[in-house]
Amino acid sequence: NAGVTQTPKFRVLKTGQSMTLLCAQDMNHEYMYWYRQDPGMGLRLIHYSVGEGTTAKGEVPDGYNVSRLKKQNFLLGLESAAPSQTSVYFCASSPIAGGHPYGQYFGPGTRLTVL
Amino acid sequence: AQSVTQLDSQVPVFEEAPVELRCNYSSSVSVYLFWYVQYPNQGLQLLLKYLSGSTLVKGINGFEAEFNKSQTSFHLRKPSVHISDTAEYFCAVSDNQGNNDMRFGAGTRLTVKP
Repeated sequence: NAGVTQTPKFRVLKTGQSMTLLCAQDMNHEYMYWYRQDPGMGLRLIHYSVGEGTTAKGEVPDGYNVSRLKKQNFLLGLESAAPSQTSVYFCASSPIAGGHPYGQYFGPGTRLTVL
Repeated sequence: AQSVTQLDSQVPVFEEAPVELRCNYSSSVSVYLFWYVQYPNQGLQLLLKYLSGSTLVKGINGFEAEFNKSQTSFHLRKPSVHISDTAEYFCAVSDNQGNNDMRFGAGTRLTVKP
């Protein structure tokens, strides 16, 4: 049982390049989330999904797109990377909405630098 | 929407001393409260949670937190810290309306010194 895994762990992009971050969970959770973590700002929700084939915007969705074609996978895409997207990205999953009462299960993170 | 304020960005403390990490929240409805811990270069792990019932909640690694509704606080405490407790701690709040809006505080970096 690997829990939540993220690929890649590190990435450096140039401004304007695109990339996709992959999140996979093997706990059969319905809900999946993408957060970004910036110094002094905690975690902010980018997008989330309440089930296969569904996605919704979170607190800071601009510049990102997501897809949930399979229940176990949640992809985060950057179509044209900007330096403001330099951050650490975390994926999380939960069996029910918001994670309560179990909390959310987090992946190890992807450190992205946009030059 | 609800919000969270962690009152201290950094807390240095000596080994075996007690520690309190402060968290205040704001919400117009009833809430669930969480504390997560993040060790260096790792994801977040759930430390403890308050859903309902007893206001004193015990978590892993000897941590506990007390929910105070009148002061809208959920402070985290440990009576005696270890070097291995050095990490970043996040307080989080979500309402009990069944949505997906969990808000995190900015984090408190706990540094335990020998």
